[in-house]
Amino acid sequence: DGGITQSPKYLFRKEGQNVTLSCEQNLNHDAMYWYRQDPGQGLRLIYYSQIVNDFQKGDIAEGYSVSREKKESFPLTVTSAQKNPTAFYLCASSIGSRFGYEQFFGPGTRLTVL
Amino acid sequence: AQTVTQSQPEMSVQEAETVTLSCTYDTSESDYYLFWYKQPPSRQMILVIRQEAYKQQNATENRFSVNFQKAAKSFSLKISDSQLGDAAMYFCAYRSGTGNQFYFGTGTSLTVIP
Repeated sequence: DGGITQSPKYLFRKEGQNVTLSCEQNLNHDAMYWYRQDPGQGLRLIYYSQIVNDFQKGDIAEGYSVSREKKESFPLTVTSAQKNPTAFYLCASSIGSRFGYEQFFGPGTRLTVL
Repeated sequence: AQTVTQSQPEMSVQEAETVTLSCTYDTSESDYYLFWYKQPPSRQMILVIRQEAYKQQNATENRFSVNFQKAAKSFSLKISDSQLGDAAMYFCAYRSGTGNQFYFGTGTSLTVIP
């Protein structure tokens, strides 16, 4: 079955540590996205990528980094510079913009900083 | 950037009744796409319905339909014959016809009362 996988489902991190969240898709989608979800704030865009080896900052990119070395993979690193990283993180993908296709989402990763 | 507003943080409906969730958006574009997503307690985002701005006919998917008022920039979701499984957070989203970014509202939490 085609879809998006995120791992791990739950992640715990000590303050001062970097941590990487995995996102893989087998939908052959060009575009991939990372969102952060906090209570009452909806989905906020961290980074997105429209093509391999290219990505753009979203609204809240500070303290995060990404890479897009393969079409199917878009890992997100939460660095120690991120002041309040505890949140639910969603990865999504979409076909290119020409036809206005929807986003498909992974199951999410809950990150907790101890 | 486009903004999407959901003015109802919480709504409730009796089982088998009808409920309407509101969404307004701000854009200067004429070509765009609108979506409603459902996020149940599992937190998996699921597409409910999609509307192309160039189509005058309102989209319908089984018990879910929209009232798309382009001039008013309004995109409400009507759920008919509400079921317990409809209880979830609902997000309205906007996508430009020329870009890959999606813009989400802050969500409406729907409770279905047995």
